[in-house]
Amino acid sequence: DIQMTQSPASLSASLGETVTIECLASEDIYSNLAWYQQKPGKSPQLLIYYANSLNDGVPSRFSGSGSGTQYSLKINSLQSEDVSIYFCQQNYDSPYTFGAGTKLELK
Amino acid sequence: EVQLVESGGGLVQPGRSMKLSCAASGFTFSNYGMAWVRQAPTKGLEWVATISYDGSSTYYRDSVKGRFTISRDNAKSTLYLQMNSLRSEDTATYYCTRVLRRAFDYWGQGVMVTVSS
Repeated sequence: DIQMTQSPASLSASLGETVTIECLASEDIYSNLAWYQQKPGKSPQLLIYYANSLNDGVPSRFSGSGSGTQYSLKINSLQSEDVSIYFCQQNYDSPYTFGAGTKLELK
Repeated sequence: EVQLVESGGGLVQPGRSMKLSCAASGFTFSNYGMAWVRQAPTKGLEWVATISYDGSSTYYRDSVKGRFTISRDNAKSTLYLQMNSLRSEDTATYYCTRVLRRAFDYWGQGVMVTVSS
């Protein structure tokens, strides 16, 4: 199975700040990577697919990048509604594995 | 508006069976692959199974292979997950998801399955 290592596990940032979350795959996943946001008590929502494509309706302050085994999610100008847990997921090879999540809080 | 509404969860004893349903609306169900993803209490996400748009192909994680069956009825726009020989480690919220560009682009509200005696 492909292991997805996400960092940091938790993150505290101020409004307006830029934050970056990293995801490392145990092998090359050829940009078959998605990012999800899960707000407290809610279902996950797709933010990014194919490593850097913004899903419909997702604010442009979210962006994804990376290739090979290393990927990142960047949130520019942090807003209060961005407080969530963020998960990466590889969809290159079954079983389609998720990272453990990054809990983003406001400082 | 895309909607995925799960049903059929609850409390079940170890070794017993349960069938989850997911009623889809707001899109042409027969055009999309679908999947089930679960999340154990206070844990991360775990992919369970995927079915192709026409039901001809199915994929499972190893821990549920031979116990769970994913299926669909395109005439009813409904996805199913038949779960047999349930174990305590199957306790989770189960989400019905739509597959687009290899990612899960829409999720249902989730249904809780608790396996306990």
